[in-house]
Amino acid sequence: DAGITQSPRYKITETGRQVTLMCHQTWSHSYMFWYRQDLGHGLRLIYYSAAADITDKGEVPDGYVVSRSKTENFPLTLESATRSQTSVYFCASRVSGQGAPEAFFGQGTRLTVV
Amino acid sequence: GIQVEQSPPDLILQEGANSTLRCNFSDSVNNLQWFHQNPWGQLINLFYIPSGTKQNGRLSATTVATERYSLLYISSSQTTDSGVYFCAALYNFNKFYFGSGTKLNVKP
Repeated sequence: DAGITQSPRYKITETGRQVTLMCHQTWSHSYMFWYRQDLGHGLRLIYYSAAADITDKGEVPDGYVVSRSKTENFPLTLESATRSQTSVYFCASRVSGQGAPEAFFGQGTRLTVV
Repeated sequence: GIQVEQSPPDLILQEGANSTLRCNFSDSVNNLQWFHQNPWGQLINLFYIPSGTKQNGRLSATTVATERYSLLYISSSQTTDSGVYFCAALYNFNKFYFGSGTKLNVKP
């Protein structure tokens, strides 16, 4: 299917476990982003990537690791999950360029850390 | 980074009423987008509007980049318009910064 997809949609994990959230886009967009959404905070940027093998921190990167070996994939790993990382995670993508075109979001992954 | 502020935080309307949502940003931005988050949590693109005015059916948006604000107008509101409306500003051509959203409840 064309577009941007996240998996899994729902995940429950235990404190201290490693968990990876997947994001895949079929548009060959250069930029990809990971956000978390918490009540009272809106969406906050965790990491972003301008191209394959180029990543940078956002507002709340602590406790997360990203990689981007292929343009279409941008996995987000929680190395040792904590309860404070219970959240809804959104992946997004957009093309590059000075025209600054719009971003498109995946459907989200609801992560619960118990 | 930049600060993005939305107002009002909550809004209750009777079906058929009109409303204006506001988004202020603290610095010059490259892009401004409006999203609607539906009750299932999905983020729906409404407008990509770095400047000027756009209209799509009952919705329209205006961005005045020189004064650092954007407005989203909803006319003849319907219950299906309920949800949270976010604005997001693209800064330095790479990072999007989101406001905290306006939660809209349209009552029948």
